[in-house]
Amino acid sequence: EADIYQTPRYLVIGTGKKITLECSQTMGHDKMYWYQQDPGMELHLIHYSYGVNSTEKGDLSSESTVSRIRTEHFPLTLESARPSHTSQYLCASSFMGETQYFGPGTRLLVL
Amino acid sequence: DAKTTQPTSMDCAEGRAANLPCNHSTISGNEYVYWYRQIHSQGPQYIIHGLKNNETNEMASLIITEDRKSSTLILPHATLRDTAVYYCIVRVEGGMDTGRRALTFGSGTRLQVQP
Repeated sequence: EADIYQTPRYLVIGTGKKITLECSQTMGHDKMYWYQQDPGMELHLIHYSYGVNSTEKGDLSSESTVSRIRTEHFPLTLESARPSHTSQYLCASSFMGETQYFGPGTRLLVL
Repeated sequence: DAKTTQPTSMDCAEGRAANLPCNHSTISGNEYVYWYRQIHSQGPQYIIHGLKNNETNEMASLIITEDRKSSTLILPHATLRDTAVYYCIVRVEGGMDTGRRALTFGSGTRLQVQP
């Protein structure tokens, strides 16, 4: 069982608000990822990190930003939420190989 | 990365084996076959992976053909909790650049286990 956590699990928020989605893992994994997934659709990578102080944008353009100050923590921030940001956000981590372990996800609804 | 082809959906009776096929005819010699699944509204879950030999773990078995152009994921005794979308992914394992690229999940196979 993978030890990767995401909070909150569900978030309903108004347009223009700043939000931070939390992701933490206790496995000491060096690589961490954020994916975005709309209902019934494919997962798309929006951010990844090789390690502390290393972040890169993924294949899908996103207005969100990330930081990696500690190995175990990879928060995602939206400075000004919009309805188009409504989606499920999934965090994952891996060590060396390609086996990625996913958190339970955060379902975001922006009104 | 090699492209994979999976059936859109499959049904399986509870207690029977579920055999999920995947075609990856353009697979390279150093690419592994990975299987993940995603149960409704949850994050994807790693199941198993292999390179050439058949693999088995507590969740499933992976059968890879000798030419490596296709594989089959076997859930030996499917339960209702195995109802999910199953993704077959082909990727190079390890290396400096592997983390840079996303896992491309595609549309997968929607497995419905019937009571």
